[in-house]
Amino acid sequence: DAKTTQPTSMDCAEGRAANLPCNHSTISGNEYVYWYRQIHSQGPQYIIHGLKNNETNEMASLIITEDRKSSTLILPHATLRDTAVYYCIVRVMDTGRRALTFGSGTRLQVQP
Amino acid sequence: DAGVIQSPRHEVTEMGQEVTLRCKPISGHDYLFWYRQTMMRGLELLIYFNNNVPIDDSGMPEDRFSAKMPNASFSTLKIQPSEPRDSAVYFCASSFDGRQYGYTFGSGTRLTVV
Repeated sequence: DAKTTQPTSMDCAEGRAANLPCNHSTISGNEYVYWYRQIHSQGPQYIIHGLKNNETNEMASLIITEDRKSSTLILPHATLRDTAVYYCIVRVMDTGRRALTFGSGTRLQVQP
Repeated sequence: DAGVIQSPRHEVTEMGQEVTLRCKPISGHDYLFWYRQTMMRGLELLIYFNNNVPIDDSGMPEDRFSAKMPNASFSTLKIQPSEPRDSAVYFCASSFDGRQYGYTFGSGTRLTVV
């Protein structure tokens, strides 16, 4: 699995966009970028994933650079409930040959 | 669906006692995962099952830990005897086909061994 690098922590003002970066310079052509988040005292929650193209769902947008060496998770209008640890994971997509592993992530603090 | 259900939510036990953590996965999911989370080590995979069969238990710290999945709707993680260093939050997750975007986690069991 490609190594990922994320900032340890970030702050964001409520109502503003939160942009969480992830570097994955050794990503392979068949590896996806996945994002999960973990709100305090809860289990991790899936947010979004992508391979090459930018992706958007009801929770967030994922922007992947053309060379795929980095990506950004965007929460368009951050709320206090978005305060959480955000994990960027780079993995091939397979049907469970290996379980997901989580790094240390980025702790996002949304400020009122 | 009620999601992945773990019990108990909190457990306080004395060193040396046996502890059993329980998990009910989402109906229809064929993968079940047990993770442990501590401040020092983060979120670690302990073991996972596919169709009730253990696939990878390399994360189980030592023989004091054991996990079973007697049927598709129930799994247990047992620690015997428990030690203070086992204090952590234990999460169970389930998935339909093991794909990396499909994990659903429970709310966890916070274990304190005194």
